[in-house]
Amino acid sequence: DSGVTQTPKHLITATGQRVTLRCSPRSGDLSVYWYQQSLDQGLQFLIQYYNGEERAKGNILERFSAQQFPDLHSELNLSSLELGDSALYFCASSVLGGTGQETQYFGPGTRLLVL
Amino acid sequence: ILNVEQSPQSLHVQEGDSTNFTCSFPSSNFYALHWYRWETAKSPEALFVMTLNGDEKKKGRISATLNTKEGYSYLYIKGSQPEDSATYLCAFCNYGQNFVFGPGTRLSVLP
Repeated sequence: DSGVTQTPKHLITATGQRVTLRCSPRSGDLSVYWYQQSLDQGLQFLIQYYNGEERAKGNILERFSAQQFPDLHSELNLSSLELGDSALYFCASSVLGGTGQETQYFGPGTRLLVL
Repeated sequence: ILNVEQSPQSLHVQEGDSTNFTCSFPSSNFYALHWYRWETAKSPEALFVMTLNGDEKKKGRISATLNTKEGYSYLYIKGSQPEDSATYLCAFCNYGQNFVFGPGTRLSVLP
């Protein structure tokens, strides 16, 4: 158990809908990262937040957005969902200043199925 | 477009064998190289974060080396055990702090 929690574990929804995935980092960790793992593309970095501010952006679609709240939990919002958004979404957290040189601890993931 | 490659794609070894695999990444704008171990139905678990050319890191029977000038890292497993069976991922991080993962090497250790 890494200490990172994600809810829900599973989510089934329809095309065109909007969902919110939640992540609570390890106690004391200031940075949260979001990743998408789909069957055909492997693990892809979406976005990173550090202490409430966006720090780095990867391959995140415009239909997706994220935020980190004052209590450091983070939410990933996925809207106008398409079949291709079906994937496993991980969040990870790290301790300090959110640099790329820190160990990241991954949560268990949220599996999203868009029908 | 940043490209990270891993070889081989998959590997089957006998228990007790030692093995190694490769991660290749861009040699420019290098910031860090991460190795993860990912077991089926679990989440990736960090093994090493490597930042300096010539770095060597070790955790138990697993070790890794880093060559940032030529853009590669090796992961070694000594005396493989069935519990080492997993996918081993590397992730390259550049100065923009954009992480790019390789496709992974799937290791199966046969008892």
